[in-house]
Amino acid sequence: DAGVIQSPRHEVTEMGQEVTLRCKPISGHDYLFWYRQTMMRGLELLIYFNNNVPIDDSGMPEDRFSAKMPNASFSTLKIQPSEPRDSAVYFCASSPTGYLSNQPQHFGDGTRLSIL
Amino acid sequence: EDQVTQSPEALRLQEGESSSLNCSYTVSGLRGLFWYRQDPGKGPEFLFTLYSAGEEKEKERLKATLTKKESFLHITAPKPEDSATYLCAVRIAGGTSYGKLTFGQGTILTVHP
Repeated sequence: DAGVIQSPRHEVTEMGQEVTLRCKPISGHDYLFWYRQTMMRGLELLIYFNNNVPIDDSGMPEDRFSAKMPNASFSTLKIQPSEPRDSAVYFCASSPTGYLSNQPQHFGDGTRLSIL
Repeated sequence: EDQVTQSPEALRLQEGESSSLNCSYTVSGLRGLFWYRQDPGKGPEFLFTLYSAGEEKEKERLKATLTKKESFLHITAPKPEDSATYLCAVRIAGGTSYGKLTFGQGTILTVHP
């Protein structure tokens, strides 16, 4: 089975540019999560969706960050304008129905973002 | 505030030298504690879910246990391929954060041959 697919794997761009990260969850999973991982703060939840609807976006750091899930098989995380402090590894994860009964989250391999 | 603390930050073992990693938590209404393994350049890989105090789960050389305040990941006779960062995470009950996992900072395990 295909796992969670993220693209691009690496992104290097200049400060002020728009950055779009993409995620394809595992087919049939109806929960989708966006995380950010840094050495200083570890793995932090940014936002999560259930059935394409955002449920909790309290972890989104500022208005420069936005996330969408137009359908069950695709989600984007956008940063506009980007800043050097946004440099991190961004992970997408998905989980099936039954997540609230402790089905685990399955992670993609992340996008390593560097803002110069 | 809900907190998850892992110790030690880093652990170096010789192959075959058993040890334990600790995950302590202060949360209200624990709904589940999760252990993940993360290799460099990869996303976290699920290992175990524990639901209630006294529960234990095993997988190969790994055994996870849970009390009311902490969880241990015991590694028996580790091999170099067990080298990775081990993350624990908790899910709490209630509110809009119902689906949220809070992760610890991780323990970097290195097993030398």
